[in-house]
Amino acid sequence: AQSVTQLDSQVPVFEEAPVELRCNYSSSVSVYLFWYVQYPNQGLQLLLKYLSGSTLVESINGFEAEFNKSQTSFHLRKPSVHISDTAEYFCAVSPFSGGYNKLIFGAGTRLAVHP
Amino acid sequence: GAVVSQHPSWVICKSGTSVKIECRSLDFQATTMFWYRQFPKQSLMLMATSNEGSKATYEQGVEKDKFLINHASLTLSTLTVTSAHPEDSSFYICSATTGSGGTDTQYFGPGTRLTVL
Repeated sequence: AQSVTQLDSQVPVFEEAPVELRCNYSSSVSVYLFWYVQYPNQGLQLLLKYLSGSTLVESINGFEAEFNKSQTSFHLRKPSVHISDTAEYFCAVSPFSGGYNKLIFGAGTRLAVHP
Repeated sequence: GAVVSQHPSWVICKSGTSVKIECRSLDFQATTMFWYRQFPKQSLMLMATSNEGSKATYEQGVEKDKFLINHASLTLSTLTVTSAHPEDSSFYICSATTGSGGTDTQYFGPGTRLTVL
């Protein structure tokens, strides 16, 4: 079985400050790793994902996440946040199965960017 | 980009009635659709996975007779909550993907809030 822990339910930060949203997972098998973002009144959108290769993955809007296998973590970072980054962020894993891509989600972290 | 819609966005019903929620992929054909349930301040919990023309695969602990899923076409899946009770009140979210492998992106709908009185 798999589980995902997002250590912070809320993260307040000032505009242009750096931010890190933490994600740890537990799994007995290898997994793919994802970060999804949910803006108010919208569906979840894929932000970035780690499938294989370089452990550092980047999104088009400046976020990056690094897969750390030994620490079973996939923390999300951004060096300078904008007001528009205010949203709910979900970390998720999908076990290698060869079948359906089942996603197991964390409880989410609400990022609030203040001016 | 790939868009998934849900209808209705919110619904209130009386205890004992049935409610149907639709999930549509608007600009792509969805090989697989997923239904999730989310309680306040908790994570999304997968309820079931469905492929077009096949019976849905339910997660452990999800009542098949209570949550009926139909994936009649490559663009439409429905979730019917039968004989709804207050404990079924929740936020229901669907997602759709064009593939069936672990690397395929899931596209999510905006969710449906169900309140059972």
